[in-house]
Amino acid sequence: EVQLVESGGGLVQPGGSLRLSCAASGFTFSDHYMDWVRQAPGKGLEWVGRTRNKANSYTTEYAASVKGRFTISRDDSKNSLYLQMNSLKTEDTAVYYCARVDSSGYETFDYWGQGTLVTVSS
Amino acid sequence: QSVLTQPPSVSGAPGQRVTISCTGSSSNIGAGYDVHWYQQLPGTAPKLLIYGNSNRPSGVPDRFSGSKSGTSASLAITGLQAEDEADYYCQSYDSSLSVPVVFGGGTKLTVL
Repeated sequence: EVQLVESGGGLVQPGGSLRLSCAASGFTFSDHYMDWVRQAPGKGLEWVGRTRNKANSYTTEYAASVKGRFTISRDDSKNSLYLQMNSLKTEDTAVYYCARVDSSGYETFDYWGQGTLVTVSS
Repeated sequence: QSVLTQPPSVSGAPGQRVTISCTGSSSNIGAGYDVHWYQQLPGTAPKLLIYGNSNRPSGVPDRFSGSKSGTSASLAITGLQAEDEADYYCQSYDSSLSVPVVFGGGTKLTVL
């Protein structure tokens, strides 16, 4: 059974940093692109960024709203995905989901974690 | 503002048919990029509902169907049930934004 479990959320002051983790199981993690998607309270889904797999040189892409502040990384030996968030702003307050990108070619999000809440407030 | 436009809300009575539109442009849906749909039940993570415009993942009832034409896509739900009350999001790719994922703003479906 595919499982994605996020952790590391919490309350942080504006300008602060936080590192989220996503533990994956039930599939060959190293084969898949992995993304972060966030959802501000009462708002819609916003794509945050992507890390591709080793075959694609672990390249990353980011939404304009987080580029230069957030860094996505992965450790295939630990089946884990990370999101390092620096220079946090109040508008970064959201539930952060990690999501598996399917490998069929459609690049949909076929599995999601339960999400972890990040609150940026003084 | 998302490049994919969805109506904020739709509603229907049990048993009825509803459709949710996802309107894009020549740089996304109109360029031939696939549209995918997700269902997000209250308090839960999104779930893949339709992929590649009209394909259902295993386990998704055939009451849900997707279509695409020109610069728009649609999600249709027939035989509406109370448990269909959720938020629905479309997703595609936009060549002008140089990012692999764009979402629609989401549509809240209310079952009357």
